[in-house]
Amino acid sequence: QKEVEQNSGPLSVPEGAIASLNCTYSDRGSQSFFWYRQYSGKSPELIMSIYSNGDKEDGRFTAQLNKASQYVSLLIRDSQPSDSATYLCAVTRGYNKLIFGAGTRLAVHP
Amino acid sequence: GAVVSQHPSRVICKSGTSVKIECRSLDFQATTMFWYRQFPKQSLMLMATSNEGSKATYEQGVEKDKFLINHASLTLSTLTVTSAHPEDSSFYICSARGQGQGAATNEKLFFGSGTQLSVL
Repeated sequence: QKEVEQNSGPLSVPEGAIASLNCTYSDRGSQSFFWYRQYSGKSPELIMSIYSNGDKEDGRFTAQLNKASQYVSLLIRDSQPSDSATYLCAVTRGYNKLIFGAGTRLAVHP
Repeated sequence: GAVVSQHPSRVICKSGTSVKIECRSLDFQATTMFWYRQFPKQSLMLMATSNEGSKATYEQGVEKDKFLINHASLTLSTLTVTSAHPEDSSFYICSARGQGQGAATNEKLFFGSGTQLSVL
């Protein structure tokens, strides 16, 4: 079982719609959870971080965490073509290691 | 925000040669640096954790004699791919965490821009 699992996609949504990205993780001891966006050939950039159960909103982005289900998600409202990228879920392992999922490719079409 | 400079951005080398990749934190002291490798359409795979002044900790399956990591100062870590082979061709990315940025709070990592290594 992979430590962090994501559907590879592509997830295709029309412009203006809500994109929903999901991630599950295996280590119940993980304390911190992150969503990164990565464009092809570039380094990841942090979108959201979440540490406690529930929702966390930042602009068009909402991260949701359910530790009991070992599930974390990212919602992108009013999706724009510029949101088209690969979204990486990352989870801490131990004190300071960050483990990434394989990423979900999002395509927002006009 | 904090800046991590990674150099070179792209390197092409012949099989059997060694390649050094540098990762510098420009405006903060990086007590811990991480080296990742990413194959096309795959995730970032953690290779090793590097702490200033001590030996790097390698992930399972990563050959420490092949991927030499040196974290000699609080602002510089290097990864040397020794005797590179075509299968080592990949996107290598470093990331750094500064002093006082522990896992319990904001573990924001600052990423370098990556190095695309192509071994012929």
